[in-house]
Amino acid sequence: SQKIEQNSEALNIQEGKTATLTCNYTNYSPAYLQWYRQDPGRGPVFLLLIRENEKEKRKERLKVTFDTTLKQSLFHITASQPADSATYLCAARGGYNKLIFGAGTRLAVHP
Amino acid sequence: DVKVTQSSRYLVKRTGEKVFLECVQDMDHENMFWYRQDPGLGLRLIYFSYDVKMKEKGDIPEGYSVSREKKERFSLILESASTNQTSMYLCASSTRDRGMLSSYNEQFFGPGTRLTVL
Repeated sequence: SQKIEQNSEALNIQEGKTATLTCNYTNYSPAYLQWYRQDPGRGPVFLLLIRENEKEKRKERLKVTFDTTLKQSLFHITASQPADSATYLCAARGGYNKLIFGAGTRLAVHP
Repeated sequence: DVKVTQSSRYLVKRTGEKVFLECVQDMDHENMFWYRQDPGLGLRLIYFSYDVKMKEKGDIPEGYSVSREKKERFSLILESASTNQTSMYLCASSTRDRGMLSSYNEQFFGPGTRLTVL
């Protein structure tokens, strides 16, 4: 079955460093991937979308890559700040009108 | 400011009770979704609706039903609540999927309802 996998272990980094989160997909080739941010006790908030024909997408300090050979997307936050601490979810098109979500990776940025 | 609202942030119910969770969106979106989120399992789709009175089962529909009588409102019903339905419930909405040309398929989420069934 279609699957989206994210590293379940929390990622701890120092303020100012680049955070890199990984999303792997198996058993299919999604037309696009999306990344969301979720703060504790809140619903996810959309950040970026990248299509399969795009290698890279940027938005301010965020960068997303999509490698269809490796079946992987990387999500980077440059010059990370404590306010970037949250759980980041990867999602892929899972059929008409639907998304399949990964379980998310928690990021903690320490001052 | 676009908004998805859910009727309750926290809810405590007893086993066997009928539970209604309501979701309202003000973006005129065609699609609405109900997910539950549990630690380590991520977001799992319960039901979704692509139009008024239309619904489709998601990955875990057992024990749930839904109702969409108006475009802006999507209700999740737990017919007879059980302890294993204790979870965070998230509602979302989106525009209709227009395939590769669409830039707007992101889902907009409500704040969630933390349901505890005792």
